[in-house]
Amino acid sequence: KAGVTQTPRYLIKTRGQQVTLSCSPISGHRSVSWYQQTPGQGLQFLFEYFSETQRNKGNFPGRFSGRQFSNSRSEMNVSTLELGDSALYLCATNTAGGPSGTDTQYFGPGTRLTVL
Amino acid sequence: AQKVTQAQTEISVVEKEDVTLDCVYETRDTTYYLFWYKQPPSGELVFLIRRNSFDEQNEISGRYSWNFQKSTSSFNFTITASQVVDSAVYFCALISGAGSYQLTFGKGTKLSVIP
Repeated sequence: KAGVTQTPRYLIKTRGQQVTLSCSPISGHRSVSWYQQTPGQGLQFLFEYFSETQRNKGNFPGRFSGRQFSNSRSEMNVSTLELGDSALYLCATNTAGGPSGTDTQYFGPGTRLTVL
Repeated sequence: AQKVTQAQTEISVVEKEDVTLDCVYETRDTTYYLFWYKQPPSGELVFLIRRNSFDEQNEISGRYSWNFQKSTSSFNFTITASQVVDSAVYFCALISGAGSYQLTFGKGTKLSVIP
């Protein structure tokens, strides 16, 4: 079974631009979560999507948004980029077939975003 | 609110030594799940183990073992006879609350195994 795929793997943008990151889940996985990883703040939850609906949202400004398509693929968008948005963005997917926590979340390799 | 604390920021051991990574968690929920992930230099988080709050049985998988103690809110991870390939950052994480898939991570412990 193919793992979680994230594209692109690396991105360089300048302040004020916007960026879209993509995550393709493992076949059969219906839930997609996004995390931001920075040296200072560590791993922080952005949001989670299931059946094209956002179920949970972390404490990030509205510049961070996401969506999920009918095939469970997900995208996240960051508008008006700031220097502090430089980070590794990871997505995690799971089957969401049972109560929370009973399904293991599998992570993709991440997209490393650098904002200049 | 939930919280995960990994007090050890960095640990260095010589190959073949045993090493224990500490994890202390906080949650008000009676049902919760604990996880350990490994992050090698490539960046991808690799799942190691999941434990639910009702199962305090310790687990051993090859050179890895986990000690879950609700009385001290700890979920410690031991690597026996460490190898250079074990060098990575290890994260302890928690999911708590009904219907939540949100992982709360500790800050991670960077393990360096020296040959």
